Formats: sequence, structure tokens, C-alpha cells
Amino acid sequence: DADVTQTPRNRITKTGKRIMLECSQTKGHDRMYWYRQDPGLGLQLIYYSFDVKDINKGEISDGYSVSRQAQAKFSLSLESAIPNQTALYFCATSDIADQETQYFGPGTRLLVL
Amino acid sequence: QKEVEQNSGPLSVPEGAIASLNCTYSDRVSQSFFWYRQYSGKSPELIMSIYSNGDKEDGRFTAQLNKASQYVSLLIRDSQPSDSATYLCAVEGGSYIPTFGRGTSLIVHP
Repeated sequence: DADVTQTPRNRITKTGKRIMLECSQTKGHDRMYWYRQDPGLGLQLIYYSFDVKDINKGEISDGYSVSRQAQAKFSLSLESAIPNQTALYFCATSDIADQETQYFGPGTRLLVL
Repeated sequence: QKEVEQNSGPLSVPEGAIASLNCTYSDRVSQSFFWYRQYSGKSPELIMSIYSNGDKEDGRFTAQLNKASQYVSLLIRDSQPSDSATYLCAVEGGSYIPTFGRGTSLIVHP
């Protein structure tokens, strides 16, 4: 079984709808991250969490919110989706014991019409 | 603002050749350096990490770090078509938040 899972893997939604992307991990890592990737733009950090009670904004947090329900679960919400949020979204985990290597989930491809 | 720069490519090399990928970074206090490989439509996966100046070898891959010049490179020897992917450079400076470059597309042609 995959260590970092994301649901759904693909999602089509309409402008103005609220959607949630979910991430679960079995690696036992405290640190979790949400990134978006647009063609040619690399990975941009949306939010990150170093433990259950810690939530921090990344470089592009506007229009997004997150919830860290447990050590293993970190959800990303788009409160009112807009077309320029169409992108590939990745969840990742890391741990100081693993020298901060990022372990990525399989990604969620989101299309906002 | 921390920046990590990579040539977007594509870098095209023949099968069996050495592919050389380069990355420069702006934050002088950076401590950890990573190379990730990403196949089209897939998630990034770690290829190499390096933390001190010099070379680090792992199979066909060699990472090179020069902190004084603020660059890190990845050499792929005996390149194979299966190495065709985008290679992401990531730099981390003690905050546990990596900064990623935009990636270099590598094409290995038979």
C-alpha cells in the first residue's frame, strides 16, 4: 500500500463550488505539506503543518484553507473554486529523522470550469 | 526571497551519454539539497540528497555541491531512455521548508 494517499485522484468542479482534497499517510511523519503544480512553474507551497496543532501559510495560500485532523490526515479546501485553481495538487510528508526528504502522494488533478 | 534556478530545457542527450543538470540558489545559508525526478503526470521522487561540498555518488547518479558558488548539479552516466523525465532541484535552509526549482526536462533519445 502507498505510504501517502490522496483522494480524489481526479476532480472536475464548477466555479464557485467548495471542494476538499484529502491526504492520508502511514509513514508516521509529523510534517505535512500541500503543493500545487502548474505546467512550467514547478511546485508552489500552499500550506504546511509541522504537527496537529500547527498550521502555516505557504507562498500561495489565498483561496485555500486546510485542516489537520490527525497526525496522519491533512485536508485542503477550496472555499469557492475559480478556474485559475485548475492544477495538479500534491500532498507531501517529511521527517527530521529522514533528513527532510519529501515523500509525495500521487497527486490530484483538479479542473475548475 | 529564496530562489532556485534551473534551465527548463529540454536537455536532449543520446542514449549512453552523460547528462548534466545544473541548479543555482540564492540563499547562502542553505543546508540541504535534493534532486527529485518527476515523470509526466506522476509525483516527484527523490533521486539524490547532498549536504556537504563535493561529490556524492549513487549508482549512475552523482550529485555535486559547491556552496561557495551556490550551485548543485546532477550527473547521470550511461543515460537511458527511462531517465527521460523532469528533474527538480530543491534547497532547504533549516526551516524544513524546501524551495523547488521549476525543473529541467531531460530527453534521452535512442
